[in-house]
Amino acid sequence: GAVVSQHPSWVICKSGTSVKIECRSLDFQATTMFWYRQFPKQSLMLMATSNEGSKATYEQGVEKDKFLINHASLTLSTLTVTSAHPEDSSFYICSAKVTGLVQPQHFGDGTRLSIL
Amino acid sequence: SQKIEQNSEALNIQEGKTATLTCNYTNYSPAYLQWYRQDPGRGPVFLLLIRENEKEKRKERLKVTFDTTLKQSLFHITASQPADSATYLCALPSRDYKLSFGAGTTVTVRA
Repeated sequence: GAVVSQHPSWVICKSGTSVKIECRSLDFQATTMFWYRQFPKQSLMLMATSNEGSKATYEQGVEKDKFLINHASLTLSTLTVTSAHPEDSSFYICSAKVTGLVQPQHFGDGTRLSIL
Repeated sequence: SQKIEQNSEALNIQEGKTATLTCNYTNYSPAYLQWYRQDPGRGPVFLLLIRENEKEKRKERLKVTFDTTLKQSLFHITASQPADSATYLCALPSRDYKLSFGAGTTVTVRA
């Protein structure tokens, strides 16, 4: 149980392109999903918290107009990297939290984004 | 914010031995603590969650302890196998349940 699917697994695109990444909880409902970014040899850094039916909350230093988050249903959150540039190249990972105070987050398999 | 330190970047161990990883934190003690496994190019996989009132938790060959006095969690892999080679991450929730991660310890089990 508690499977999170993330799509696509990798994207290569030209500078200036907008890229959408999907995160789905397959066998549970997630009122809260999270988006992380991970650079090589570093740990996960939280970018934003996505709440179903409301606006996402962004961590300090994360541009909300650059990283658009939509959580339209209890099983789907999307992250759109708008007008992507080479510095946006990274490994993006989503997670979904099972409802309840003391519950783990379950992670997708990540999206490798490369901007040329 | 919570500062999380995992004892070492890398741990090399002989197959069959026990690997022990340390996670120390500096500020408030969280209601629970989690351990994840991450393989290269993959997302973290949830392993164990231990609550503040639990001293020890086990799952197959894995064991986690949580000492709120020492502000420390230990993660043990017993009878280690080459398939256990991965990076192990300690994660603590903040008061609003966002997770903060340690830098991770990369375990290599040699046959």
